[in-house]
Amino acid sequence: GQNIDQPTEMTATEGAIVQINCTYQTSGFNGLFWYQQHAGEAPTFLSYNVLDGLEEKGRFSSFLSRSKGYSYLLLKELQMKDSASYLCAVMDSNYQLIWGAGTKLIIKP
Amino acid sequence: IAGITQAPTSQILAAGRRMTLRCTQDMRHNAMYWYRQDLGLGLRLIHYSNTAGTTGKGEVPDGYSVSRANTDDFPLTLASAVPSQTSVYFCASSGGERDNNEQFFGPGTRLTVL
Repeated sequence: GQNIDQPTEMTATEGAIVQINCTYQTSGFNGLFWYQQHAGEAPTFLSYNVLDGLEEKGRFSSFLSRSKGYSYLLLKELQMKDSASYLCAVMDSNYQLIWGAGTKLIIKP
Repeated sequence: IAGITQAPTSQILAAGRRMTLRCTQDMRHNAMYWYRQDLGLGLRLIHYSNTAGTTGKGEVPDGYSVSRANTDDFPLTLASAVPSQTSVYFCASSGGERDNNEQFFGPGTRLTVL
């Protein structure tokens, strides 16, 4: 079967750095996505990795290792507005997204 | 409109009633999707459409139907609602010029079936 695993909840301090991990087992691989979802709102796109390595975009970076079935999202200089759920999703061989349950990130002052 | 819209925003429905959730996008995206999101679970694909005139079944299609008569609209119909269909429903689209298969989401419809 297809499976995406990520921690249910994490807590971090404003101004700090947090790493959210995602491991996956899917039928084929056509890229990995990270989305941010604030409570009561729609998911919004953060990053896309299809090759191994690190993609940096401002305070957010995403890493992929295809051989290990592993990705992480790194958030630097945390702000209170970063409190949200972070969703990991893998595009399978049929070009459909398989979604993890999401990691709820709580930022404390 | 700009982007993707859904209607209604929320709805309370009696079990056994028929309901259509509406989704419209103005980005000329080829592909559209319907997901449901339940607490503790990831987004689950109900139905999808790769292009106007075609549709396909996702992970959880039972009890739902869709149509794609044109590029912009992708309605989702619950023929006879049941309480297990209580959920938040998101419509999404993809396939624009900056095509990394990024999906753009509508604001969602919160449906309660009693």
